[in-house]
Amino acid sequence: DSGVTQTPKHLITATGQRVTLRCSPRSGDLSVYWYQQSLDQGLQFLIQYYNGEERAKGNILERFSAQQFPDLHSELNLSSLELGDSALYFCASSPRTSGGAYNEQFFGPGTRLTVL
Amino acid sequence: TQLLEQSPQFLSIQEGENLTVYCNSSSVFSSLQWYRQEPGEGPVLLVTVVTGGEVKKLKRLTFQFGDARKDSSLHITAAQPGDTGLYLCAGVYNYGQNFVFGPGTRLSVLP
Repeated sequence: DSGVTQTPKHLITATGQRVTLRCSPRSGDLSVYWYQQSLDQGLQFLIQYYNGEERAKGNILERFSAQQFPDLHSELNLSSLELGDSALYFCASSPRTSGGAYNEQFFGPGTRLTVL
Repeated sequence: TQLLEQSPQFLSIQEGENLTVYCNSSSVFSSLQWYRQEPGEGPVLLVTVVTGGEVKKLKRLTFQFGDARKDSSLHITAAQPGDTGLYLCAGVYNYGQNFVFGPGTRLSVLP
């Protein structure tokens, strides 16, 4: 158990709909990262937050948005869903934003999104 | 843009065999990490290598960081079915703020 929690574990929805994925980082971790992993593919970095502020953006679509709240939990919002958005979505937390080379990420169990 | 390549993409071997997988980039990283991911679960960190030429051992796994800090290898001795999984390398840059993942090597160890 990494200490990172994600809800829901599974989500099935239809095209055109909007969903929200939730992540709670490990206690004390200030950084949250979101990743998308499609079938048989590696992890695609979407976005990073540190202590409530956006720090880095990856290949995140305009239909997707995220935020980190004062209690440090984060939500990833996916709208106008398409079939190709079906994937595993992982959240990871990290102790600090500038911890140097030994900074590491702890991953949650993921949310499996299926768009029908 | 930092990119990582991993090879081979797939590897299927018999229990007891040795194997090496590779992670390569044209970029220099502060450090390089190896993660292992089992189906339906999140990746779990195995090791972080920081110094060029560094070698770290974790039981039957040996990790090496290239001298120029652009590449790394993972060697598994006497593979076991429990080693089956997706092995991901991740480059760390920008003073530890950012991570880029390779596409992974999917390893299957048959009993």
